[in-house]
Amino acid sequence: GAVVSQHPSRVICKSGTSVKIECRSLDFQATTMFWYRQFPKKSLMLMATSNEGSKATYEQGVEKDKFLINHASLTLSTLTVTSAHPEDSSFYICSASKASGTGELFFGEGSRLTVL
Amino acid sequence: QKEVEQDPGPLSVPEGAIVSLNCTYSNSAFQYFMWYRQYSRKGPELLMYTYSSGNKEDGRFTAQVDKSSKYISLFIRDSQPSDSATYLCAMIGGVYSSASKIIFGSGTRLSIRP
Repeated sequence: GAVVSQHPSRVICKSGTSVKIECRSLDFQATTMFWYRQFPKKSLMLMATSNEGSKATYEQGVEKDKFLINHASLTLSTLTVTSAHPEDSSFYICSASKASGTGELFFGEGSRLTVL
Repeated sequence: QKEVEQDPGPLSVPEGAIVSLNCTYSNSAFQYFMWYRQYSRKGPELLMYTYSSGNKEDGRFTAQVDKSSKYISLFIRDSQPSDSATYLCAMIGGVYSSASKIIFGSGTRLSIRP
């Protein structure tokens, strides 16, 4: 199956700093990647849809200036949490589907962010 | 009302039991139905998908869709401790493409006791 890699898997930062999370499709090209946020014992909440070479589409209620998404290539999308606060602490997961394929989504392993 | 409702669990059953996991949905536009398994601190992995009413079987897993009742189920036969995970139902409206937005249920935590 296809592999999606996220980095870092865990990050702890101080309040007010910015954190970048990378999502890479290792063995396929992904024109579309999705970023989710998951709270403990809760489902995945779609934050934004990231399209290669264009601006991301954010879901209602998600601050685009807070969560910066860049999809500069067919294999890499990044999520930057700017001026992080403790309430941004969460599990962030990305997913990607093959540019040519059935549309099946492949998920990354997730990145746990803790803001002190 | 949430678009997708899922029994929260947690659900604990003995090894070898048949497990039934369920979701209901309110949007009749949903056409594509999936079940994902998520182990602790990991990303979800696709177990099964179907787009028509009826049953679809894959090994010990059976996905069932009843569009008239807006109800889907996942059955696990001969459950194993390794099946212990959170199971998420998920749905898409319209045609499934690489840009489709998936709506997830809240997940059911399943524990299989040896």
